[in-house]
Amino acid sequence: NAGVTQTPKFQVLKTGQSMTLQCAQDMNHEYMSWYRQDPGMGLRLIHYSVGAGITDQGEVPNGYNVSRSTTEDFPLRLLSAAPSQTSVYFCASSYSPIDRGGLNSPLHFGNGTRLTVT
Amino acid sequence: QQQVKQSPQSLIVQKGGISIINCAYENTAFDYFPWYQQFPGKGPALLIAIRPDVSEKKEGRFTISFNKSAKQFSLHIMDSQPGDSATYFCAASISGANSKLTFGKGITLSVRP
Repeated sequence: NAGVTQTPKFQVLKTGQSMTLQCAQDMNHEYMSWYRQDPGMGLRLIHYSVGAGITDQGEVPNGYNVSRSTTEDFPLRLLSAAPSQTSVYFCASSYSPIDRGGLNSPLHFGNGTRLTVT
Repeated sequence: QQQVKQSPQSLIVQKGGISIINCAYENTAFDYFPWYQQFPGKGPALLIAIRPDVSEKKEGRFTISFNKSAKQFSLHIMDSQPGDSATYFCAASISGANSKLTFGKGITLSVRP
């Protein structure tokens, strides 16, 4: 199993450009999520999904869109990039759509996408 | 209001020493407390976790100590090695429907050879 795969690893965008960060998992996990990691801010939840066709907002959703058409894929879209979106983005998944990161369903993270917006 | 607070913000330890990272939480409904370890260029990965029905859990050189009355839990790394140099996140969640993992801000541990 490859686990959680994120592409690209690095990306530089100009303000106003759009792009999609890809995330795929091969563990048949129902729950998938996107976090951003910024210095001194820890991991903040952007959007999450408890199954195909179901998505919801996390604590910092503004400026980002998601969709979940299959169990395996959960892309994150930046519609109009801003310098404040410069960050490292992590996709994470877990087996249970209810016990998300809990005792019986730990979170599995990808290796991240480092995004710079100039 | 930050629900899970870590201290210190960074830590430097000599090889062979004990690394201690503390975490305090606000919500007494939390009932699951994991620690995640993140190496440079990688995503976080579950290291060790504890539930509040025990006061301590040990896995190899890593131990979680839990103090329910003080609403604190800590990670102890015995015989710290340079390979332990990483960022450590504590987290907490409430079991049950729609559970959500809340992370601390993370601390960077450097183990000097």
